[in-house]
Parts: sequence; C-alpha cells; structure tokens
Amino acid sequence: GDSVTQMEGPVTLSEEAFLTINCTYTATGYPSLFWYVQYPGEGLQLLLKATKADDKGSNKGFEATYRKETTSFHLEKGSVQVSDSAVYFCALRLYSGGSNYKLTFGKGTLLTVNP
Amino acid sequence: EADIYQTPRYLVIGTGKKITLECSQTMGHDKMYWYQQDPGMELHLIHYSYGVNSTEKGDLSSESTVSRIRTEHFPLTLESARPSHTSQYLCASGGTGATGELFFGEGSRLTVL
Repeated sequence: GDSVTQMEGPVTLSEEAFLTINCTYTATGYPSLFWYVQYPGEGLQLLLKATKADDKGSNKGFEATYRKETTSFHLEKGSVQVSDSAVYFCALRLYSGGSNYKLTFGKGTLLTVNP
Repeated sequence: EADIYQTPRYLVIGTGKKITLECSQTMGHDKMYWYQQDPGMELHLIHYSYGVNSTEKGDLSSESTVSRIRTEHFPLTLESARPSHTSQYLCASGGTGATGELFFGEGSRLTVL
C-alpha cells in the first residue's frame, strides 16, 4: 500500500543551523507531496507542496524537491530559528476515484531549535 | 487563516460519560475528517465524510461515531468514554482540487479519568 517514511526524531539543533528532515514514499501512481507543520498547541498547517516530479515547493525559507527517481521529498532550511520548533509531517495524496483523494501522513518529526 | 473551529479545546471527564466534540468550518468544504493523534504524534484517520449524510470509518478502528447533517458541521461522539479514549482529536476539511490542502482545527484534547 501507499506509505510515507520520514526521519525519526527528535531533532535538536542550534539556531542558524542547517536542517534536513528526510522523507521517502511508496505509492502506486503519481502522488502529490506535502509538508505540514504543527506548532505547539495547534493543529497542522500546510508548509509547502509539490504536485509533480522535479517540482520544488518553498515557503518561509523551507524547501523540498519532488524526486521521482529516489521517491523522496526531503525538507531543508538553511538557517533555522527558535520559532521553527514544531512537529513536521510529510504526506502524499493519491487520486482514489470520483472527486476523492487519499492522504497518507508520515509519523511526524519533532524539531527543537535552541537559542 | 483557516476557518475551522473545534470545541472544546480541552476536556477532562470521568469514565462512562457521553461526550461530543464539535467541529465546524465556514469554507463550504464537502470533505471533512477526524484524526486521532497519539502522544507519539502519529496521526490516525478515524472518520471521514464526503458530504451531507455521508460518513465512513477511517484506517483506525474507533468506538466513536460521527454525523454530517449540515455541510459545515461534523461532530464526533463517544457514548461512554473510557481512559483508553484519552487523546488529541483533530478535525480537518478540504483536501480536494488542485492544491489538495487540508485545513485543520486546533484540536480537542480529551482526558478520561
């Protein structure tokens, strides 16, 4: 079945460090890929997305490139801030018939950034 | 900013009580979802709805039930709460169209004593 595997946390970094959170997927078909972020005490919100191979999603200094050949969508940021401390979820979406889609989430990676 | 609201944000109740978690969205989305989030952060889809009078069980079996009488409203009910129901419950809507973005509420944290 379809699945998303992301880097296990927790990840702890110092402010201004470089961040990579790995995400790989298994899917039948051509999924869209997403990164969601969950700040403490809140629900999830979309961080960035890519809908086809070689697309790069970017937002708030974060980037991820849809790599079909390695079935990956790794999240990167050049210089993290304390305010980036959150849980990050990688997800894929596949068409499932009619006007419906199935969304599959990874298990989440907790990032803590220290001043 | 997402227009999806959950109440209550926090609830502490005793075993055997009936509870309803409310979820409302003002975006006109047909599709709505309930996720259970365990302490390890993983999300589990427990219910979804593709429109009024449509409800389906998700990937994780749950003793809760849902209803969808109005487009904007998707409440979740536990007839008799137990300590094993203690969790964070997240409601979401959307997930269609070109972007496929899901909009989440802030969650309801349920503690059953």
